[in-house]
Amino acid sequence: EAQVTQNPRYLITVTGKKLTVTCSQNMNHEYMSWYRQDPGLGLRQIYYSMNVEVTDKGDVPEGYKVSRKEKRNFPLILESPSPNQTSLYFCASSLVAGSLYEQYFGPGTRLTVT
Amino acid sequence: KNEVEQSPQNLTAQEGEFITINCSYSVGISALHWLQQHPGGGIVSLFMLSSGKKKHGRLIATINIQEKHSSLHITASHPRDSAVYICAVRRSGGGADGLTFGKGTHLIIQP
Repeated sequence: EAQVTQNPRYLITVTGKKLTVTCSQNMNHEYMSWYRQDPGLGLRQIYYSMNVEVTDKGDVPEGYKVSRKEKRNFPLILESPSPNQTSLYFCASSLVAGSLYEQYFGPGTRLTVT
Repeated sequence: KNEVEQSPQNLTAQEGEFITINCSYSVGISALHWLQQHPGGGIVSLFMLSSGKKKHGRLIATINIQEKHSSLHITASHPRDSAVYICAVRRSGGGADGLTFGKGTHLIIQP
């Protein structure tokens, strides 16, 4: 089954404790992206990747890192999480970057930083 | 002002009613997406539009590029249509790649 998976689905952590949210897709997609969703603000892009070893900042990249060593994986790294990073995070992928390619979303990771 | 505005923010209707959700945007775009987010949180892509109109089952999406406006219509609405509907645009002309999202329309269809 074609899908985007994220782990963990739920995470409660403390300020400053490094964490990684994994994202994996099995569709051989070139384009992957991370979004965060906050009440009243909607979805906002954090980072994206056009292909292996090609990543770039989205609209809200501060406090996050990403890597794209393999085509299928696009982990989101929070080196020193802070409470303002409490959010619902979505990973998404599409065949290539471009206007009319459908984006497939992962199930979401709900992160709470205390 | 947000680049993508949706209206209404909240909509409650009776089963069977015709539903319209509107999306206006203020930037040049290469495509517009309609997404559906169910209460469990998962997001599904419904439509991608660059012009005209698309139909899938009871859902119809239209876009008017000149007026920078899109609508999502649901015919014969059903309680299972209850969800948040999100409009998103892909900006044209360079800059950070990715989608810019509206804040969503929370739709409740009552039996």
